[in-house]
Formats: sequence, C-alpha cells, structure tokens
Amino acid sequence: DTEVTQTPKHLVMGMTNKKSLKCEQHMGHRAMYWYKQKAKKPPELMFVYSYEKLSINESVPSRFSPECPNSSLLNLHLHALQPEDSALYLCASSHIPGQGWASGRAGTYEQYFGPGTRLTVT
Amino acid sequence: GIQVEQSPPDLILQEGANSTLRCNFSDSVNNLQWFHQNPWGQLINLFYIPSGTKQNGRLSATTVATERYSLLYISSSQTTDSGVYFCAVVEGNAGNMLTFGGGTRLMVKP
Repeated sequence: DTEVTQTPKHLVMGMTNKKSLKCEQHMGHRAMYWYKQKAKKPPELMFVYSYEKLSINESVPSRFSPECPNSSLLNLHLHALQPEDSALYLCASSHIPGQGWASGRAGTYEQYFGPGTRLTVT
Repeated sequence: GIQVEQSPPDLILQEGANSTLRCNFSDSVNNLQWFHQNPWGQLINLFYIPSGTKQNGRLSATTVATERYSLLYISSSQTTDSGVYFCAVVEGNAGNMLTFGGGTRLMVKP
C-alpha cells in the first residue's frame, strides 16, 4: 500500500478562522512533509518531520503550525491566514536515509504524495 | 541551493505521438523522481531514478548523473497523459528535501 490520505479535500476559511489539515500514512515511513503549491507553480517545501520531530522549517510564517502526534499522522494547524495563503497543500512521506531495514533498498527514499487539500482563504 | 530546469515548459501533442521531456540540474543528486500531476492536483509517482534507465509501459526514463540531466520518454501518447510533469531532486547534502523543477505542461489532443 503506497497511499497517503489527506482531509479535507477542499477548505474555505475566513481570515479569523482556525482550521486544521490532516495527513495519514501507513507505509512505516518516519519522514513526513508539508508542501505548498500555488497555481501554475511547482510544490515548495514547508516543513519536514523526522521520527516525529520537526527537522526542517523553511521559514514558514507562524500562522502555519505543524504537528506530528505519531508516526502515521501529520497535522497542519491554520490560524489568521491571509488570502495569499490560498493554495494546494500537499503532504508526503518517505523512509529516512539509513532507516533500519529499509536502507539500501531500491527506491528507499522515494516520496509519496497525498491528493492534497485545496485551501481558499476569504 | 540546487537549480532544476525542465524543458519544454509547454508541449502540445496529437494522440499517438512520442515526446521527450528534459530535466537539468546544477549539482550532484541523491534522489531524482518524475511525477505526473493530474488535473485534480494529485502527484503520481512515475519513476524514482537517481541514475540509470527504467521503463514502465509506454513511459521510460534515463538519468545521466555525471552529466546532470534526466529524460522522460512518453511513447504513443494518450489524452490521459495530459497534465504537468515534474522532475524533483534531492541535493547531495540535503537529507531528503525535494526541489522541484518548473514542470512541463503537456496537452494531448484526440
């Protein structure tokens, strides 16, 4: 099973709302990622979690707050967003280079993406 | 950071035609993936190919790591091949952080 799921598929929120995006995977991956994709642009990395700890924050504004409650789940909490934050938010997962039994296998570090949440901020 | 350039940016094909998409990158890479993004936004894994050649049905890919480029071949194109094709790489010392190229937008006409 190479599936990453994301909920909700679509989200419309006002600038004063608080909402959360959810991501789940059951592939035994210990790295999980949030990407943001604006229309007609490639995805851009926001956050990386390794072994449930935040390892990379690509200078993302504090109105985006990630959380990794366990090895299968990744959340992105949203608060006081701006209209320019409207985008497709993609979650991905992968093994971590050198991770246990997975190291050395072909395709070990391949990232798998969820279907995304299309967010509109009004 | 590493630069990833894809060409052509846009491509229109007649159904049944063949095409080659190119990805150039500016530094050594540990990981290179090709994705197809469908009209609904889903990124579909096509190939994990940091080096060598792979084939999957009508698609094949070749990465020449020493010359810092990768090619994606689509043969006998179908309308369902339409969408955006992205190349993404992990720079040698960048953990597993993917950097995406700008994409090739493909339209296959019936």
